[in-house]
Amino acid sequence: DSGVTQTPKHLITATGQRVTLRCSPRSGDLSVYWYQQSLDQGLQFLIQYYNGEERAKGNILERFSAQQFPDLHSELNLSSLELGDSALYFCASSGSGTGLYNEQFFGPGTRLTVL
Amino acid sequence: GQQVMQIPQYQHVQEGEDFTTYCNSSTTLSNIQWYKQRPGGHPVFLIQLVKSGEVKKQKRLTFQFGEAKKNSSLHITATQTTDVGTYFCAPFILTGGGNKLTFGTGTQLKVEL
Repeated sequence: DSGVTQTPKHLITATGQRVTLRCSPRSGDLSVYWYQQSLDQGLQFLIQYYNGEERAKGNILERFSAQQFPDLHSELNLSSLELGDSALYFCASSGSGTGLYNEQFFGPGTRLTVL
Repeated sequence: GQQVMQIPQYQHVQEGEDFTTYCNSSTTLSNIQWYKQRPGGHPVFLIQLVKSGEVKKQKRLTFQFGEAKKNSSLHITATQTTDVGTYFCAPFILTGGGNKLTFGTGTQLKVEL
């Protein structure tokens, strides 16, 4: 158990819909990262938040957005869903936002299926 | 942009055989981390390499960082069924005010009795 929690574990929805994935980082970790894992794209970085602020952005679609709240939990919002958005979405946390090469602790993931 | 390739993509070994996965970057890296993902699981941190030519060992696992800091390898001696999973190298990249991991393509290891 990494100490990072994600809900829900599974999500099945239809094209065009909007969903919200939730992540609670390890106690004390200020950085939250979101990753998407799919068979064709592999494990891809989406976005990083540090203490409520967006700090780094990867290949995140404009239909996707994220935020980190004052209690440090984070949400990833996916809208206008397409079949290709079906994937495993991981949240990870680490202790520091910049300057140190910190390991990341991954949550169990949310498996999104778009039908 | 950053491209990180791993070879082989798949590896089947008999229990007790050795295994090596190689990670190659198109650019010089400041730091590389390795993660293991068991089937149905999430990535778990294994090690971090920072210095040119660095070698680190964890029991049967040996990690190396190339002299030019553009490649890395993971070698497992005498594999066991508990070694099954996908091994990813992941350069740690500082980007302005933040950071990210750029995961390699991964090597899936299967160990047969």
